[in-house]
Amino acid sequence: EDQVTQSPEALRLQEGESSSLNCSYTVSGLRGLFWYRQDPGKGPEFLFTLYSAGEEKEKERLKATLTKKESFLHITAPKPEDSATYLCAVQSGISTQGGSEKLVFGKGMKLTVNP
Amino acid sequence: EAQVTQNPRYLITVTGKKLTVTCSQNMNHEYMSWYRQDPGLGLRQIYYSMNVEVTDKGDVPEGYKVSRKEKRNFPLILESPSPNQTSLYFCASSFWGGNTGELFFGEGSRLTVL
Repeated sequence: EDQVTQSPEALRLQEGESSSLNCSYTVSGLRGLFWYRQDPGKGPEFLFTLYSAGEEKEKERLKATLTKKESFLHITAPKPEDSATYLCAVQSGISTQGGSEKLVFGKGMKLTVNP
Repeated sequence: EAQVTQNPRYLITVTGKKLTVTCSQNMNHEYMSWYRQDPGLGLRQIYYSMNVEVTDKGDVPEGYKVSRKEKRNFPLILESPSPNQTSLYFCASSFWGGNTGELFFGEGSRLTVL
């Protein structure tokens, strides 16, 4: 069974204090690992897709990396507007119920950046 | 503007009273999916559809039905709602030809079943 674990569950940073969020996963053949951002009262917003170990993607202050067992979302010099819940999800390459489009999400990590 | 529109955004109902949550997307996406989000459990997939007339179960399909008669619409039907279906529901869509994990989400529908 595909599993995604995110840590820590919550993180408080001061503005400018860089840190990393962890997403560890167990999957039968990774098709893709996805990062989303969710603001309160809103639907998740897609950030990145990573396909294979060693791959990296960047967007503004965010950088996502992937190994064979985990992904990191690095936040460099965060600002208060980076405060949100960050979700990690994996998609398996193995069909489970006649379809192969099941996406398994982690429980999310709430980031608060104080000014 | 590209968007996924869900209605209603908020609903309070009673046990057993059938309801439908509508979802419509204007991006010509083939793939659509429904999720529920509960505290401590995260997002869980209810049903998904890879194209018109093609639907499949996700992780938590019990108590729900879906249909995909048109490409743009993917309604979620609760035939006989129960209190354990109180949740925040999200509809999402993506291109089939791309990676179906790159989803556009709606704003969510908060359902309370008394």
